[in-house]
Amino acid sequence: KQEVTQIPAALSVPEGENLVLNCSFTDSAIYNLQWFRQDPGKGLTSLLLIQSSQREQTSGRLNASLDKSSGRSTLYIAASQPGDSATYLCAVVGGSYIPTFGRGTSLIVHP
Amino acid sequence: GAGVSQSPRYKVTKRGQDVALRCDPISGHVSLYWYRQALGQGPEFLTYFNYEAQQDKSGLPNDRFSAERPEGSISTLTIQRTEQRDSAMYRCASSFTSGSLLVSGETQYFGPGTRLLVL
Repeated sequence: KQEVTQIPAALSVPEGENLVLNCSFTDSAIYNLQWFRQDPGKGLTSLLLIQSSQREQTSGRLNASLDKSSGRSTLYIAASQPGDSATYLCAVVGGSYIPTFGRGTSLIVHP
Repeated sequence: GAGVSQSPRYKVTKRGQDVALRCDPISGHVSLYWYRQALGQGPEFLTYFNYEAQQDKSGLPNDRFSAERPEGSISTLTIQRTEQRDSAMYRCASSFTSGSLLVSGETQYFGPGTRLLVL
């Protein structure tokens, strides 16, 4: 059974810092990995999706990398802003076609 | 355009009562997923549909849980004889293509969820 772990569970940083969020998964036979943002009272919003054949994806200040063989992904957030405060979730899709989510990293960026 | 909507947003019920949670996906979306999310956890898969056909219900915890999508649009998740352990956020997501195409990178659009509290 696929297990997804996210470290750290929580993070509080001052505005402007560069951040790295980590996601690891136990079964490397995945089709893709996706990073989501979750805001209170709202649904999850997709940030970046990396196919298994890809190494990284970038969108604005966000960069996600994937090392499938080692079962790891990182989400890099450059020049963090208070508006980045949210919970960040990673999810992998494997042979069952069903997404498996991690517990998330709760991020607070204070001015 | 309108996103995925869910109703009610909050539901408080007494143990033993039945509840019905509704999901209205984005118009034209083929697949619809139900997830349950406990506090401090990530979403956990329950079931999904392509059009009106239930493709996978392996995540439903027991036979008190059921879901339907009779016309391939709105879906209802029903929990019978609710128990306190059923308390959680129930999330719905839809996708433009069929569920199996998640492997090709089709993203899911999530609704705001229904917070269920069973007393």
